Amino acid sequence: DAGVTQSPTHLIKTRGQQVTLRCSPKSGHDTVSWYQQALGQGPQFIFQYYEEEERQRGNFPDRFSGHQFPNYSSELNVNALLLGDSALYLCASSKIPDDSGNTIYFGEGSWLTVV
Amino acid sequence: TQLLEQSPQFLSIQEGENLTVYCNSSSVFSSLQWYRQEPGEGPVLLVTVVTGGEVKKLKRLTFQFGDARKDSSLHITAAQPGDTGLYLCAGVRRGGGNKLTFGTGTQLKVEL
Repeated sequence: DAGVTQSPTHLIKTRGQQVTLRCSPKSGHDTVSWYQQALGQGPQFIFQYYEEEERQRGNFPDRFSGHQFPNYSSELNVNALLLGDSALYLCASSKIPDDSGNTIYFGEGSWLTVV
Repeated sequence: TQLLEQSPQFLSIQEGENLTVYCNSSSVFSSLQWYRQEPGEGPVLLVTVVTGGEVKKLKRLTFQFGDARKDSSLHITAAQPGDTGLYLCAGVRRGGGNKLTFGTGTQLKVEL
């Protein structure tokens, strides 16, 4: 049973470029959330996808966009990269959102460095 | 304003010592999760607590959810070097749809 898988694991981009990160959720999970974790800080919620729609969004600019596919996998796109976008981007998967203590699992993350 | 405050922020102890990490908030959470994260890796889920007053044990780790579901604690008995890492608490607020709000983190180092 594969866990949450993310790709690529590491990448370097130049300011102004665009980047796409990918995530496959854990088998049986249908909800994908994306988090940004800057060095030395806790993860910050970017947005969440369920049934191919963005359901919730954190305090991130429109340069951050996403997509969920019919097979529940997801992409995170960041346009017009800034140096401050350098971070570990984490994908979290879970079942349909509810308040019953649903278990949320994280992938290994994608390290993005903007130079 | 940080919704979940963790203390201490840093902790360096000797092997065999006991320690407690606290996670406090003024908000009520429907569930709370504890994660451990190694440098450059994603957070690994340790436990989920749901019921106020709930206590869960995972080998030498004991987790407690406050009665009012506003706070939690993680107690490690006889710490080992392998316990070294960043410990994160994260809560889901009622109606939050699995959106996790993370604590500030506790960096633990256990030395021989």
